[in-house]
Parts: sequence; C-alpha cells; structure tokens
Amino acid sequence: EVHLLESGGGLVQPGGSLRLSCAASGFSFHSYAMNWVRQAPGKGLEWVSGVNGGGTSYYADSVKARFTISRDNSKKTLYLQMNSLRAEDTAVYYCAKGRGWLVETSIDYWGQGTLVTVSS
Amino acid sequence: DIVMTQSPDSLAVSLGERATINCKSSQSVLNSSNNKNNLAWYQEKPGQPPKLLIYWASTRYSGVPDRFSGSGSGTDFTLTISSLQAEDVAVYYCQQYYSTLSSFGQGTKLEIK
Repeated sequence: EVHLLESGGGLVQPGGSLRLSCAASGFSFHSYAMNWVRQAPGKGLEWVSGVNGGGTSYYADSVKARFTISRDNSKKTLYLQMNSLRAEDTAVYYCAKGRGWLVETSIDYWGQGTLVTVSS
Repeated sequence: DIVMTQSPDSLAVSLGERATINCKSSQSVLNSSNNKNNLAWYQEKPGQPPKLLIYWASTRYSGVPDRFSGSGSGTDFTLTISSLQAEDVAVYYCQQYYSTLSSFGQGTKLEIK
C-alpha cells in the first residue's frame, strides 16, 4: 500500500526558511515523478513543484528561485527547501505521487499534508 | 503557463440527478505523441487530501464508481456525475499535466439541492 508522510511544517517568520520532507513507502520510489501541491486556507489547489524520476525539477512561477525540490531515492524521501518565505506561502503542503516517471502525469496518491504558517 | 478555468464555481443538484462541471484550458492539452488529453479530475472532501477520479480526460481511475465520467478534447472538458449520491458532495478540480508546469482549475463546489 502506498503511503506518503509529510513532515517539517510549522510557524516561521516572513523571510525565514523551512524544509519539508515526505517519506514514501509501498512503491518503487525512483520510478515515479513526485510533486508538492499546496492549498492556502479556504482556497483551491496550487501545483508548486515537481521532479521526475531522474531528478529534473520544475517550479511554479510563484516559488521559482525561492523553493528547491529534491529527492533521495536511496531514502525514498522527497524534500522541499523553502527560503524567503512570504505570508502568501501559508498553506497545507501535500506530497503527491505521479502516475509515471515524467512530471507530465496525473497524481494518484497524496499525503495528508503539513501546514506551513508564515507570520510574525 | 496554461490557465485552467472551471465553471460553475458552485453547483447544487438534487439527489439522483445529473451534475455537470466544465473545465477550459487556455491552450490545447492534447498530447500529439499518444493522441490523449493530459487532463485529470480530482475530488476533495473536507479534511481529506484530493482523490484522483479521471485521467487522460476520460479514463476512470481504479475503484471510481461508473457514475463518474469525463469527456472533451483540446481545450474543453466536462466531468459528469450521472446520478448524484450524498457522498459526492465535495469540491472538484481539473488539472492539466500537458506542461511540465502543471496547473489546477479553481475548483467547483458541489452540493445537494
């Protein structure tokens, strides 16, 4: 059974940094694209970043140059390093598994999410 | 970037009736390499992560009831629930995965009339 467990969320001041982790199990992690999708309070889903099975990464314009996605296939873990955080980055961040190796794929499994709050 | 626009923003349908949600992309999401549309539909219920319903615009995901169906091609897509059940109350999102920068529609809230 596929499991995705996010961690690392919390309260951070504007301009601060946070690193999210997502521990994956139940599938061949290295064979699938992985994504981070966020949802601000009371708002819709926003795709943040994705990485294909080979490690090539992609970012939404709203986070480009501030966020870095990475994966450690040996640890079956996905990461999101978030720098220069802003109030508008406040959201639940979901780790999400793609259905294929490329990022151009739908998402078949989601974690339960971790809340990031950016506030002074 | 591809912008996804759903309509309506909210919808109230009687139990047993048909519900229809539309999704329009700012450019075609038809993948010429396999002649499939890179378009998915998700269902989100309060306090839960989204669930995949439909991919390739019309392929039902494993375990999804057959009252859910997807249609459309190019830039215009539709999610149809043929006979609304109480458990279908949720927010529904479309997503394009044609671009390496994926994007979601703003969501459609479905309620019981």
